[in-house]
Amino acid sequence: DAGVIQSPRHEVTEMGQEVTLRCKPISGHDYLFWYRQTMMRGLELLIYFNNNVPIDDSGMPEDRFSAKMPNASFSTLKIQPSEPRDSAVYFCASSLPASSVQQYFGPGTRLTVT
Amino acid sequence: AQKITQTQPGMFVQEKEAVTLDCTYDTSDPSYGLFWYKQPSSGEMIFLIYQGSYDQQNATEGRYSLNFQKARKSANLVISASQLGDSAMYFCAMRGQGGSEKLVFGKGTKLTVNP
Repeated sequence: DAGVIQSPRHEVTEMGQEVTLRCKPISGHDYLFWYRQTMMRGLELLIYFNNNVPIDDSGMPEDRFSAKMPNASFSTLKIQPSEPRDSAVYFCASSLPASSVQQYFGPGTRLTVT
Repeated sequence: AQKITQTQPGMFVQEKEAVTLDCTYDTSDPSYGLFWYKQPSSGEMIFLIYQGSYDQQNATEGRYSLNFQKARKSANLVISASQLGDSAMYFCAMRGQGGSEKLVFGKGTKLTVNP
């Protein structure tokens, strides 16, 4: 299996622009997670889906952030409009059910907003 | 709320020696899972080891072992026979409180292995 795939790997954009991050989970995994990593806040969950349905979006910073999962093999995280404080590494992860199972992380998207 | 504490921002160890990375957690839920991930400078998150709250024995995976002390709410990672490639950030995380599948991470420990 190719693992969790994220695109783009790097994104540089100007403040106010729309940014879309993409994720393809491992086939057969029911859960998909979006995490953000910054120096100040560490690794934190933004949102997660179970069978394409959002379960917990309490970590989504504000209305500028939205996430969708139109099917089992694709998810997007959109920021509109982007701000410099959104600069971070965004990880997508997927897993099978049950808390004993590890989450498989994608390589991450490094976002820089100037 | 879940909380993971890693009190060692940085640790140094000599190659071939063992090192312990500390992790304490706070939860009122009886069912949870504890994980350790490694993040090398290249940035990817690599799963190392898992311990369930009901597991009677400490988890082991090759050179990695987890010193699980449930009463003290600690889940320390032990790396034996350190290698230069072990230099990385190490994150402790918890999953499963209240039925949630999300991982809650500690701030991490940066391990440096010296030759």
